[in-house]
Amino acid sequence: NAGVTQTPKFQVLKTGQSMTLQCAQDMNHEYMSWYRQDPGMGLRLIHYSVGAGITDQGEVPNGYNVSRSTTEDFPLRLLSAAPSQTSVYFCATSGGALRTTQYFGPGTRLLVL
Amino acid sequence: DAKTTQPTSMDCAEGRAANLPCNHSTISGNEYVYWYRQIHSQGPQYIIHGLKNNETNEMASLIITEDRKSSTLILPHATLRDTAVYYCIVRLTSGNTPLVFGKGTRLSVIA
Repeated sequence: NAGVTQTPKFQVLKTGQSMTLQCAQDMNHEYMSWYRQDPGMGLRLIHYSVGAGITDQGEVPNGYNVSRSTTEDFPLRLLSAAPSQTSVYFCATSGGALRTTQYFGPGTRLLVL
Repeated sequence: DAKTTQPTSMDCAEGRAANLPCNHSTISGNEYVYWYRQIHSQGPQYIIHGLKNNETNEMASLIITEDRKSSTLILPHATLRDTAVYYCIVRLTSGNTPLVFGKGTRLSVIA
């Protein structure tokens, strides 16, 4: 049982490049979400999903796309990377009726030059 | 969701109890109080949550005032490994409501 896995662990991009951050979970959780954390700051919600085929925007969705075709995976796509997207990205999942506990992945550190 | 106010930082001696306060004066009746912590560079970790009764688990205790406008997270015997940023979050009971993080309290446990 791996829990929540994120790949890659670290990535360097040039401005304008696109990429996909991967998040996978093996806990059969319906709820998944993406956060970003800038240095010295708290986490900010980008997008979330309450189940396969359903996604919604969080606090800072601009510049990011998501889709949820399976329960297990929730990829985050950067369409055209900008230096302002330099951050640490965390994926989280939760299950159960009230989804009281969220489980976070180890994070992806992204540097956009 | 209601806003929370936490001190920016706190120190605690190793082996002593760490008491982390949180104000949530605008909390509504269907909002829970959650606590998470983030140890350096790692993903946040769930600690405890409660509605109006005090709660205890293997990690910590949560004391909520009778008017629910504030709460205290208690780590009974702090260790160096408890050094982290602690987030107090108020969240609707609806399972689809996302967690919204503030800046939290940076707890430093000192030997």
